[in-house]
Amino acid sequence: ETGVTQTPRHLVMGMTNKKSLKCEQHLGHNAMYWYKQSAKKPLELMFVYNFKEQTENNSVPSRFSPECPNSSHLFLHLHTLQPEDSALYLCASSLGGQGDGSPLHFGNGTRLTVT
Amino acid sequence: GQQVMQIPQYQHVQEGEDFTTYCNSSTTLSNIQWYKQRPGGHPVFLIQLVKSGEVKKQKRLTFQFGEAKKNSSLHITATQTTDVGTYFCAGPGEYGNKLVFGAGTILRVKS
Repeated sequence: ETGVTQTPRHLVMGMTNKKSLKCEQHLGHNAMYWYKQSAKKPLELMFVYNFKEQTENNSVPSRFSPECPNSSHLFLHLHTLQPEDSALYLCASSLGGQGDGSPLHFGNGTRLTVT
Repeated sequence: GQQVMQIPQYQHVQEGEDFTTYCNSSTTLSNIQWYKQRPGGHPVFLIQLVKSGEVKKQKRLTFQFGEAKKNSSLHITATQTTDVGTYFCAGPGEYGNKLVFGAGTILRVKS
């Protein structure tokens, strides 16, 4: 059972909708991440938070807006998405930063479909 | 920028056959991690290798880190249907501040 919980598991939204993805980690980790996984593409890092501070924004369009109120919770706010944004969105956490080799613990992901 | 390449992209094996996936980096890595993602699931951390030439085993899985620390391999002996999934390697980016994932190798096992 994963120590990283993501909700919802599935989401279908229109291009004009606004929705939010939620992630919670119960592992006492200090870093949290959003990844995008599309078919036939490597995992794409979107955002990194260390101790609730955003340390990485990997050239992600502004229609994706992250929020990290504390070290245990991470949100991804979505608005005016495009069909090509349909993908599996994975939240992950790690004890230290990725630079020190801390393994990632992933949540089950949210399967997003934009219609 | 730094790249992490994995081959093969797909592999279908008969149950009981061996399987190997290879990971190659364009730069020297301080460490390499391996993850497994079952169909419909999420990536799960398997192991981390740090030392040049390191070999680690987990039951039927053998992980190797090359002497030059630019390549790695995962070998599964006598595959079982429970081994199906996508195997990813990941290493620190060129600035050492984030993980760069390979595209993964999809393993299918025919029983």
